Amino acid sequence: SQKIEQNSEALNIQEGKTATLTCNYTNYSPAYLQWYRQDPGRGPVFLLLIRENEKEKRKERLKVTFDTTLKQSLFHITASQPADSATYLCVGAGSYQLTFGKGTKLSVIP
Amino acid sequence: NAGVMQNPRHLVRRRGQEARLRCSPMKGHSHVYWYRQLPEEGLKFMVYLQKENIIDESGMPKERFSAEFPKEGPSILRIQQVVRGDSAAYFCASSPGPGSQETQYFGPGTRLLVL
Repeated sequence: SQKIEQNSEALNIQEGKTATLTCNYTNYSPAYLQWYRQDPGRGPVFLLLIRENEKEKRKERLKVTFDTTLKQSLFHITASQPADSATYLCVGAGSYQLTFGKGTKLSVIP
Repeated sequence: NAGVMQNPRHLVRRRGQEARLRCSPMKGHSHVYWYRQLPEEGLKFMVYLQKENIIDESGMPKERFSAEFPKEGPSILRIQQVVRGDSAAYFCASSPGPGSQETQYFGPGTRLLVL
């Protein structure tokens, strides 16, 4: 079955550094990947979308890459801040059925 | 522009009772999706609805679960005769057009606890 795997359950990083989160997909080829942020007790909030024919997408301090050869997406937060602490979800899409990874919990330490 | 609304935010039921979860999509959105998040798991697709139509319910358990999106009013996810394994967070999302083309926007979720 199609899978989205986020290798790290948790990632701790010092404030000001770049956080890099990894997402791999298996058994299918999503037309696009999305990244969402989820805070405790809240619903996922959409951050970025990248299509399979795009190599890289940026939005403010966020950058996403999509490598169809490696079947991987990397999500970067530059100049990380404590307010960036949350769980980040990688989501495969191509139909209306989104396929979610379990998420990586990012903690930015002051 | 209000986002996706879900109520109640928390729901406690005893085994065998019924649970009704409501979702009001964003204004202008006519496509609604329900997802379930079990503890320590990722969100899993349950059902996709448009007004008065179920488009895809392949992710929904065959028994005890049903969903509707009437012409007027919110979408309802109904769980009959709840069991402990139904305890989870249920999220509703909406989009203006088909979810294959549009980003889905999520509500805050309903956390169901079955005692």
